[in-house]
Amino acid sequence: NAGVTQTPKFQVLKTGQSMTLQCAQDMNHNSMYWYRQDPGMGLRLIYYSASEGTTDKGEVPNGYNVSRLNKREFSLRLESAAPSQTSVYFCASQGRATDTQYFGPGTRLTVL
Amino acid sequence: QKEVEQNSGPLSVPEGAIASLNCTYSDRGSQSFFWYRQYSGKSPELIMSIYSNGDKEDGRFTAQLNKASQYVSLLIRDSQPSDSATYLCAVNNAGNNRKLIWGLGTSLAVNP
Repeated sequence: NAGVTQTPKFQVLKTGQSMTLQCAQDMNHNSMYWYRQDPGMGLRLIYYSASEGTTDKGEVPNGYNVSRLNKREFSLRLESAAPSQTSVYFCASQGRATDTQYFGPGTRLTVL
Repeated sequence: QKEVEQNSGPLSVPEGAIASLNCTYSDRGSQSFFWYRQYSGKSPELIMSIYSNGDKEDGRFTAQLNKASQYVSLLIRDSQPSDSATYLCAVNNAGNNRKLIWGLGTSLAVNP
């Protein structure tokens, strides 16, 4: 039981490059989330998926797209990376009967 | 705008003392309240959840909730250097129970 896993752990991109961050959970949770965390800004919700087949924007969705591939997997795509997207990205999941969110280990992304 | 406010700190306490962390929230309809701990470079991990007014104890940790005052706190007894971390307060969004509202966190330093 690995919980929430994320790949990659670290990534360096050049401005304009694209990449996909992968997230998977094995807790049979319905809801999944992508957050970014920047110094002094706290956790900010980018996108979330309340259930398989649905996705919704959070506070800071511009420049990102998401795909809920199946119940286990939720990916985040940066189509054209910008230095402002340098951040730590966390994926989280939440079960149907609880408000508790469980986090993956994070991806540290640097855009040059 | 629904908000969760925390003193950013740093809060510095000597080893063995009681650390008191506080959080206020604006969403009067919130029903679920969480304390997460985040070590530097790591992801947030849940340490306490509380749903009813009063105190909830788990080992050295006590969460206190006062819905009338819209206030939730975390007490850490017999503080240890390993408790040094950032503590994040989160409350559920009453209008969308698939989302949490996050505070910016309080940095705690426990000095040997």
